[in-house]
Amino acid sequence: NAGVTQTPKFQVLKTGQSMTLQCAQDMNHNSMYWYRQDPGMGLRLIYYSASEGTTDKGEVPNGYNVSRLNKREFSLRLESAAPSQTSVYFCASSEGQHYSNQPQHFGDGTRLSIL
Amino acid sequence: QKEVEQDPGPLSVPEGAIVSLNCTYSNSAFQYFMWYRQYSRKGPELLMYTYSSGNKEDGRFTAQVDKSSKYISLFIRDSQPSDSATYLCAMILFSGGYNKLIFGAGTRLAVHP
Repeated sequence: NAGVTQTPKFQVLKTGQSMTLQCAQDMNHNSMYWYRQDPGMGLRLIYYSASEGTTDKGEVPNGYNVSRLNKREFSLRLESAAPSQTSVYFCASSEGQHYSNQPQHFGDGTRLSIL
Repeated sequence: QKEVEQDPGPLSVPEGAIVSLNCTYSNSAFQYFMWYRQYSRKGPELLMYTYSSGNKEDGRFTAQVDKSSKYISLFIRDSQPSDSATYLCAMILFSGGYNKLIFGAGTRLAVHP
């Protein structure tokens, strides 16, 4: 059971470079989410997608863009990376609509360092 | 003030101890309460999920919610070294079609043999 798969697992970028983090889920979930996790801050929502073709901003969207390519895939793009975006990024998915009472399933994260 | 407060620890206990992990929250509109376990270099995985005040038990784990005090707890009985992880509380608020999920910052637990 793959669940939620994220690629890459690790990445080092220089300031100003761009990159796309990939996420795919095989549970036929409607909703998908991107979070960042920083020490002492907990998980903070960057963007979410309640269904294929729709995306909405979360708590910390600045500097990021997303694409819900199809029901399975939800990518996160950093157009011009900044050191403040050094973090661990998690993708998650859940059944039902955005933040229904269905629990979220998480991938194992992408560790991103920006120099 | 954060909407959800959680002591970061670390909490170190001997194998077999009873562990108590806690979160407080400020918004009485939170309705669903969850505990996630996160092993090092892994994503969070759901442990317990409840929406009412009182206790919910699952094996060695008991989730307790006290809505009047805005306080939730996770108890682990007969703790094992394999329970060593970071525990995140999370809660959902439903508000006029815009739902909100807030995570605590996590408590790191170490169970030593």
